[in-house]
Amino acid sequence: NAGVTQTPKFQVLKTGQSMTLQCAQDMNHEYMSWYRQDPGMGLRLIHYSVGAGITDQGEVPNGYNVSRSTTEDFPLRLLSAAPSQTSVYFCASLSGQGYEQYFGPGTRLTVT
Amino acid sequence: QQQVKQSPQSLIVQKGGISIINCAYENTAFDYFPWYQQFPGKGPALLIAIRPDVSEKKEGRFTISFNKSAKQFSLHIMDSQPGDSATYFCAAGYTGGFKTIFGAGTRLFVKA
Repeated sequence: NAGVTQTPKFQVLKTGQSMTLQCAQDMNHEYMSWYRQDPGMGLRLIHYSVGAGITDQGEVPNGYNVSRSTTEDFPLRLLSAAPSQTSVYFCASLSGQGYEQYFGPGTRLTVT
Repeated sequence: QQQVKQSPQSLIVQKGGISIINCAYENTAFDYFPWYQQFPGKGPALLIAIRPDVSEKKEGRFTISFNKSAKQFSLHIMDSQPGDSATYFCAAGYTGGFKTIFGAGTRLFVKA
């Protein structure tokens, strides 16, 4: 099993550009989440999904969109990037029967 | 609104010493308290977790102490090793785990 994979590892965007951060998991987990990690702020939940076709907002959803068309994939879209979105983004998945979240390796995004 | 407060922000410990990281939470509805370990360039990984019905859980050199009345819990790393140098996050969550709230993180450095 590859676990949770994320692409790209690094990305630089200009203000106003759009992009999609990809996340995939091969563990057949129902729950998937996106977090952003900023210095001194810990991990903050952006959006999450409890299954294909079902998504909801987390703590800091503004400026981000998500969709969940399959169990495996949970992409995060930035429609119009802003410097405040410079961060490291982590995708995570969780089995409905468990408590442990499995995190991907992260995407480091810089918006200039 | 910071629901999980973690201290200290950074910690330097001599090899063989005890590392102690503290966390406090506000919401008494939380029923799952994990600690995650993160090495540079990697995603967080579950280290150890506790439920509020026990006061202590030990796994090898890592121990969680839990004080339900004070709404506090802590991570103790006995015989700290340079390989333990990482960022540690405490968290609090609910059954299902996908809405876990993370603390701000503690950067631990163990001097050889």
